[in-house]
Amino acid sequence: DIQMTQSPSSLSASVGDRVTITCRASQGISNYLAWFQQKPGKAPKSLISAASRLQSGVPSKFSGNGSGTDFTLTISSLQPEDFATYYCQHYNSYPLTFGGGTKVEIK
Amino acid sequence: EVQLVESGGGLVKPGGSLRLSCAASGFTFSSYSMNWVRQGPGKGLEWVSSISTSSSYTYYAGSVKGRFTISRDNAKNSLYLQMNSLRAEDTAVYYCATSTSSNDWGQGTLVTVSS
Repeated sequence: DIQMTQSPSSLSASVGDRVTITCRASQGISNYLAWFQQKPGKAPKSLISAASRLQSGVPSKFSGNGSGTDFTLTISSLQPEDFATYYCQHYNSYPLTFGGGTKVEIK
Repeated sequence: EVQLVESGGGLVKPGGSLRLSCAASGFTFSSYSMNWVRQGPGKGLEWVSSISTSSSYTYYAGSVKGRFTISRDNAKNSLYLQMNSLRAEDTAVYYCATSTSSNDWGQGTLVTVSS
């Protein structure tokens, strides 16, 4: 099974900060990587698929990069509505697996 | 607009059974593989099961294999999860999601396994 390791598990940042979250796969997954945002009590929302393809309606301050085993999600200028938990998920093969999540909190 | 509405959750005793449903609308349901994903209280996301467009292929997490069965009815635009031999550790919010990249999600249905 492919393991997905996210780092950091949590971070504190200020409004306007640039934030980068990392996701590492235990073996190569090409670009079969998705990113999600989840707010408390809500369902996850898809931000990015295919490692870097922004989902419809997602603001361009979100960007994804990477291929193979190492991937990043960057938020260019953090806004109050971006404080949430972010997850990566590979879909290279079954079983699908998610990273452990990164909680982005207000500093 | 894609809509996914889960139902069927509730309180069940250990060893009991439950059947979850996911009603889909706003897209061509029969053209998409579908997933069930769960989230235990205070925990992260865990993939549970997937099914191909025509039900030819089904996949399960090791933690549920042999106990859960995924199915779909393309004529009814519906996805199902039959859960048997439920355990306390199956307590979670269960979400249905579209495609292997989980592009769209329902609001979830809570399953609580407790005596």
